[in-house]
Amino acid sequence: GAGVSQSPRYKVAKRGQDVALRCDPISGHVSLFWYQQALGQGPEFLTYFQNEAQLDKSGLPSDRFFAERPEGSVSTLKIQRTQQEDSAVYLCASSFLGANGYTFGSGTRLTVV
Amino acid sequence: AQSVTQLDSQVPVFEEAPVELRCNYSSSVSVYLFWYVQYPNQGLQLLLKYLSGSTLVKGINGFEAEFNKSQTSFHLRKPSVHISDTAEYFCAVSPINSGGSNYKLTFGKGTLLTVNP
Repeated sequence: GAGVSQSPRYKVAKRGQDVALRCDPISGHVSLFWYQQALGQGPEFLTYFQNEAQLDKSGLPSDRFFAERPEGSVSTLKIQRTQQEDSAVYLCASSFLGANGYTFGSGTRLTVV
Repeated sequence: AQSVTQLDSQVPVFEEAPVELRCNYSSSVSVYLFWYVQYPNQGLQLLLKYLSGSTLVKGINGFEAEFNKSQTSFHLRKPSVHISDTAEYFCAVSPINSGGSNYKLTFGKGTLLTVNP
């Protein structure tokens, strides 16, 4: 498509619930990124894929966070046993040229109650 | 590792006034520099970037920024703002290195620009 599409736009989860956030990158973009943006903060790097390979997951805050991109296109960020501190906007971006050519999606706002 | 400091969390200005949003960075290696804008409930949109060459970079919507290597700064300016410029602005850097983490952006905490009539 023309842009990076993320779904759902909003998600409310009860503490302890598992959630899955979806990202559809721009067609042809081999690089895909996930960032977490807490309220009043700048985005923070979570993980990076090149095609289906997850090359960097150093930013994932705990082993409750898991990301996949099995066919090198759509990606899913899964959070198990959600906690209040997971409340944030999760941004997906795709790129053809590394950091020089990011296109961000509109994000998924996750609220854990 | 890199870090980015945006010195002002909020900047209120009147319409048609000039504005400068400040950004300083710290890095042990050379970096690329970026400014992004985020409108309410939207993702980040690239305003401009500095990769190399002229230190004065022009971007979209009439914004420009100047890279100052000695002061490790990349301040964003606009000579005359509009109501529609009201948004959150983020400065970001990525390291320039082959085979390293040159895909990763490190962001500042953002500056909320509010343009009043």
